[in-house]
Amino acid sequence: ETGVTQTPRHLVMGMTNKKSLKCEQHLGHNAMYWYKQSAKKPLELMFVYNFKEQTENNSVPSRFSPECPNSSHLFLHLHTLQPEDSALYLCASSEVAGNTDTQYFGPGTRLTVL
Amino acid sequence: ELKVEQNPLFLSMQEGKNYTIYCNYSTTSDRLYWYRQDPGKSLESLFVLLSNGAVKQEGRLMASLDTKARLSTLHITAAVHDLSATYFCAVATYNNNDMRFGAGTRLTVKP
Repeated sequence: ETGVTQTPRHLVMGMTNKKSLKCEQHLGHNAMYWYKQSAKKPLELMFVYNFKEQTENNSVPSRFSPECPNSSHLFLHLHTLQPEDSALYLCASSEVAGNTDTQYFGPGTRLTVL
Repeated sequence: ELKVEQNPLFLSMQEGKNYTIYCNYSTTSDRLYWYRQDPGKSLESLFVLLSNGAVKQEGRLMASLDTKARLSTLHITAAVHDLSATYFCAVATYNNNDMRFGAGTRLTVKP
């Protein structure tokens, strides 16, 4: 595997379910990110982890819970979601304090909440 | 609060024509990025601009940055169908702890 991978690619869940999204980066980066991409809103940064420490939480509802066990893996735990949470969830990674800090994105998980 | 505005949001071009996409942002930023997204795909990094007056070119795309005006442009030269995609600009503060994206410009290049 190369780059940033995400699983699953598609997920349908009910409002009472609990599920997790997984992201893995194979680039040796030290920062990872979760974004939400909805049809009618700009891409929204949800969580930032620098060196496995969470440094940003943009007022994301507590029904989204991130976990970063090491610098290569990032999870987004989901529970009691709402239909308006249906979106494409993108993971990204970057080398913080590098020349450009360019973020490299995974393919995303298309989430549908029924 | 850091805000990013792109225009136009939709752009339909004929092949061979030139056009410019604009990206305005509201506060001082350390860096500006341009990304491309094809339908159903993820975002692909195109350019990163770090300083006032920076200009980068790749093929038919050229990006520039004016930090005093808080403006970046993405210029398309002699468009071809393969350039059809959605283009996003994004502005970040140090360490990307606050990264904001524009709404995106959906570009369609017609034969």
